[in-house]
Amino acid sequence: DAGITQSPRHKVTETGTPVTLRCHQTENHRYMYWYRQDPGHGLRLIHYSYGVKDTDKGEVSDGYSVSRSKTEDFLLTLESATSSQTSVYFCAISERNSADTQYFGPGTRLTVL
Amino acid sequence: AQTVTQSQPEMSVQEAETVTLSCTYDTSESNYYLFWYKQPPSRQMILVIRQEAYKQQNATENRFSVNFQKAAKSFSLKISDSQLGDTAMYFCAFMKPSATSGTYKYIFGTGTRLKVLA
Repeated sequence: DAGITQSPRHKVTETGTPVTLRCHQTENHRYMYWYRQDPGHGLRLIHYSYGVKDTDKGEVSDGYSVSRSKTEDFLLTLESATSSQTSVYFCAISERNSADTQYFGPGTRLTVL
Repeated sequence: AQTVTQSQPEMSVQEAETVTLSCTYDTSESNYYLFWYKQPPSRQMILVIRQEAYKQQNATENRFSVNFQKAAKSFSLKISDSQLGDTAMYFCAFMKPSATSGTYKYIFGTGTRLKVLA
């Protein structure tokens, strides 16, 4: 299994509060990704990173920001959480280029009340 | 728009039997990759199989094989000798380079829930 951890694994928060999810990898892979999984939608890309301090938007990036100050850590921040951001969030990594297979972390279940 | 369609929301199969999950995709690209991922109740996304579009030979991984029909844009997954541990949600995914950035990105189908019956 790829060395990917996510924290926290579960979180319940209230509307309007900031939330930060962390993805940590021990594989020294270049690419890191954040997805959300919702019923009827599969997984959808939020943001991704192709190197330290290099990030770009995915298809559902509104309301989210990311940061990557070290190769091993990729943070996803919800500046002001809304109920529509209740979801399961997955981090993924790929080794050298974006055409490499992505390997996923265990996921974080976030509930916004 | 690029889409991935899994037309079977739920399926069941008897243990030791064979089952095929269907996936179709829509693209005008010639260079892309296709995947099947398994998501058991633990929620972990596990790679099952990967297929490069330029390869004519169908990928195989132990009991899992694909039927890749490029002209028909079809990518089905066959599970042979089904086991109870195969019970999971299965996602088909299509990966192609972005027209703007060149970065390859996944597009996932909505999944097929497979139950293996004892």
